Amino acid sequence: GAVVSQHPSRVICKSGTSVKIECRSLDFQATTMFWYRQFPKQSLMLMATSNEGSKATYEQGVEKDKFLINHASLTLSTLTVTSAHPEDSSFYICSARTNIYNEQFFGPGTRLTVL
Amino acid sequence: AQSVTQPDIHITVSEGASLELRCNYSYGATPYLFWYVQSPGQGLQLLLKYFSGDTLVQGIKGFEAEFKRSQSSFNLRKPSVHWSDAAEYFCAVGGKDNFNKFYFGSGTKLNVKP
Repeated sequence: GAVVSQHPSRVICKSGTSVKIECRSLDFQATTMFWYRQFPKQSLMLMATSNEGSKATYEQGVEKDKFLINHASLTLSTLTVTSAHPEDSSFYICSARTNIYNEQFFGPGTRLTVL
Repeated sequence: AQSVTQPDIHITVSEGASLELRCNYSYGATPYLFWYVQSPGQGLQLLLKYFSGDTLVQGIKGFEAEFKRSQSSFNLRKPSVHWSDAAEYFCAVGGKDNFNKFYFGSGTKLNVKP
């Protein structure tokens, strides 16, 4: 149980385009989802926390208009990287939690490459 | 402030040798502690977790960790390392506050010599 999926696993796009990444909790209802980014050989940096049905809370330094987060249902959150640039190339990981468990369950990650 | 420190960036051990990865945390409430492993290009795999109770926690793949409140530490150990253990290891602390928001350490890269 407690499986989280991400789609796509890899995406390559041109500079200036927008990319949407989906995060789904497959067998539980996720009241909260988190989005992280990880640069090569670095740790995970929390970008934002999203609760179902409300606006995401962004960490300091993360541009809200650049990284649009939608948590429209208890099993789906999306991260849209708008007008992507090469510096947005990174590994994006989502996680989900439910009030039942005191932990987060992580997705497998999405590798974004912006040319 | 909430934070996690993993003082060792890289560690190299010989296959069959014992391993200890250090983790120190700062957290203002009752901590929930986790160790994850990440292979290159992959997501995170949970090795073990501590919420309460017995301070020595057993995990998968033969790993264990000990919670020491007085030292604010949660070190990961394995008595005999296998070549397949080579990976990046992350310690994380969370709690009931902030919807279980996690704070990650910077990671320790483990190399295993044959």
